[in-house]
Amino acid sequence: KNQVEQSPQSLIILEGKNCTLQCNYTVSPFSNLRWYKQDTGRGPVSLTIMTFSENTKSNGRYTATLDADTKQSSLHITASQLSDSASYICVVRDNTNAGKSTFGDGTTLTVKP
Amino acid sequence: DTAVSQTPKYLVTQMGNDKSIKCEQNLGHDTMYWYKQDSKKFLKIMFSYNNKELIINETVPNRFSPKSPDKAHLNLHINSLELGDSAVYFCASSRGPKTEAFFGQGTRLTVV
Repeated sequence: KNQVEQSPQSLIILEGKNCTLQCNYTVSPFSNLRWYKQDTGRGPVSLTIMTFSENTKSNGRYTATLDADTKQSSLHITASQLSDSASYICVVRDNTNAGKSTFGDGTTLTVKP
Repeated sequence: DTAVSQTPKYLVTQMGNDKSIKCEQNLGHDTMYWYKQDSKKFLKIMFSYNNKELIINETVPNRFSPKSPDKAHLNLHINSLELGDSAVYFCASSRGPKTEAFFGQGTRLTVV
């Protein structure tokens, strides 16, 4: 069964600090992996997409990594801001015709002043 | 302009009622989805339609019936609502089944 596991479940950091969120998956065959940010009361918004051949991709203060061999991804947030407080969801899509996505349960990040 | 819009944003209804949630996208996408996010904030896919054809149905009860009159619309009708149906329902769309999904703002359904 395809699974996506994220850790930690929740995280509290001080403004200006860095943090790293983890995502491990068993989805096969692999197509791509996305990190979404979901603000409270809003729909998820895509931050980055990683394909099989990509190891690192940045989007501003967000940097995602992918190790397709160990089936692990991380999302690193640099110099956190209060607006980074949100849920971060890892989504892995398989490479079947339907392109089914498996969602992780998310990491809730709280940035405190 | 809102890319993926859902109505209503909030819906409070009694057990046993039938209700519908509407979704429209103006992105010209071929694929649309319905997701359910429970109280623990776990997002689960319910349905996926590509060019008005159902391609994913994640063993959702028959009380839930999606309707896609055209590629820009995917409505969700729920019969005989139960307390456990209380959740936030998100509609999303993408160019194709394997591309980025754009989400609507969600519909918070509360069954009392």
